Amino acid sequence: DGGITQSPKYLFRKEGQNVTLSCEQNLNHDAMYWYRQDPGQGLRLIYYSQIVNDFQKGDIAEGYSVSREKKESFPLTVTSAQKNPTAFYLCASSRLAGVTDTQYFGPGTRLTVL
Amino acid sequence: GESVGLHLPTLSVQEGDNSIINCAYSNSASDYFIWYKQESGKGPQFIIDIRSNMDKRQGQRVTVLLNKTVKHLSLQIAATQPGDSAVYFCAEGYTGGFKTIFGAGTRLFVKA
Repeated sequence: DGGITQSPKYLFRKEGQNVTLSCEQNLNHDAMYWYRQDPGQGLRLIYYSQIVNDFQKGDIAEGYSVSREKKESFPLTVTSAQKNPTAFYLCASSRLAGVTDTQYFGPGTRLTVL
Repeated sequence: GESVGLHLPTLSVQEGDNSIINCAYSNSASDYFIWYKQESGKGPQFIIDIRSNMDKRQGQRVTVLLNKTVKHLSLQIAATQPGDSAVYFCAEGYTGGFKTIFGAGTRLFVKA
């Protein structure tokens, strides 16, 4: 069963704690992305990776960090520096890193800061 | 379900009717446009795309229209079904770029 998985589905964090969201794909895609989704807004790009061991900041990277040590994995860490981390986080992948390459999304992780 | 779309524009249609969802895009340089569907609690799913050298593209029960003059995109869904209820996003980008810009979305309700 091919696709993108994200875990956990729901995550609760206390203020001041770092938390890591998992994203795994078995589609053999080179590119992976992290988006943040808030109510009434479109998806906003946090980070993207075109290839293993490489990643670039998106529009709202402050307070987040990523790694891309394996092709199939692109974890996102939400640090305590992120001022308003409560949101729905979506991971996506595409065959290549280009706008015209279809992005396939995972089911998302809802992060709530208590 | 998820709280995505709490304050979104909403379109309500009767089952079997046609739906038209509109989107204004922002960047004149964009030459590639996509429509996504997002059901409650799930990630967005690709529906159909169109390049700027086309005005219309048809898929299965869906048609996308592009008006570059007024920077307007629309998604038409024929014979709308209850399973079409979701939030629909338009997105734009330009060939060779890496970033896709997503609109805020429209929530479609289908009444049985």
